[in-house]
Amino acid sequence: DQQVKQNSPSLSVQEGRISILNCDYTNSMFDYFLWYKKYPAEGPTFLISISSIKDKNEDGRFTVFLNKSAKHLSLHIVPSQPGDSAVYFCAASALGSNYKLTFGKGTLLTVNP
Amino acid sequence: AAGVIQSPRHLIKEKRETATLKCYPIPRHDTVYWYQQGPGQDPQFLISFYEKMQSDKGSIPDRFSAQQFSDYHSELNMSSLELGDSALYFCASILALQGNEQFFGPGTRLTVL
Repeated sequence: DQQVKQNSPSLSVQEGRISILNCDYTNSMFDYFLWYKKYPAEGPTFLISISSIKDKNEDGRFTVFLNKSAKHLSLHIVPSQPGDSAVYFCAASALGSNYKLTFGKGTLLTVNP
Repeated sequence: AAGVIQSPRHLIKEKRETATLKCYPIPRHDTVYWYQQGPGQDPQFLISFYEKMQSDKGSIPDRFSAQQFSDYHSELNMSSLELGDSALYFCASILALQGNEQFFGPGTRLTVL
């Protein structure tokens, strides 16, 4: 039972354009959502997060949007750069869960020069 | 800044052997999490420790055990290894009072032959 779903295994965009990575979740107890970026042979690196009391959080080129009623969040990267090419994991934690993370299967983003 | 350290980075074992993976959290972090990522899969939560006590348990086989020591480093002990244990094992840490964003180590790649 995949509680966090990233339905696009891969995404390819041109440098300078917007990348939109999507994530859906099923567990209503999730109250904190995070995006991690992962390069091969490295551990996941924290990118940006959002609490369930917000619907948007922005940090430089990265913006995360949360639609609680649809149980959907998205990560926007604009403008996309070749160095953004990596696997992006959506993750969630539930109140009272000691912050343990439930991950999606990841989306491989390729930004073409 | 100091990051999460994991050792060894690579480990090759035979079936039925034992393995010990080590994790050194970021200084002052008091909570450690272990995750297992199989090939093409999302990281799955195994177990976590807060202040040297087990705080949560996920899909960790009975053949595995873990502990957190007084210096907050953690060890994951794996016995009677099976082929299916071949995976990347990540450790992450947080300072519980600061909450949700987990910082991951580079992982240990375990191969069971």
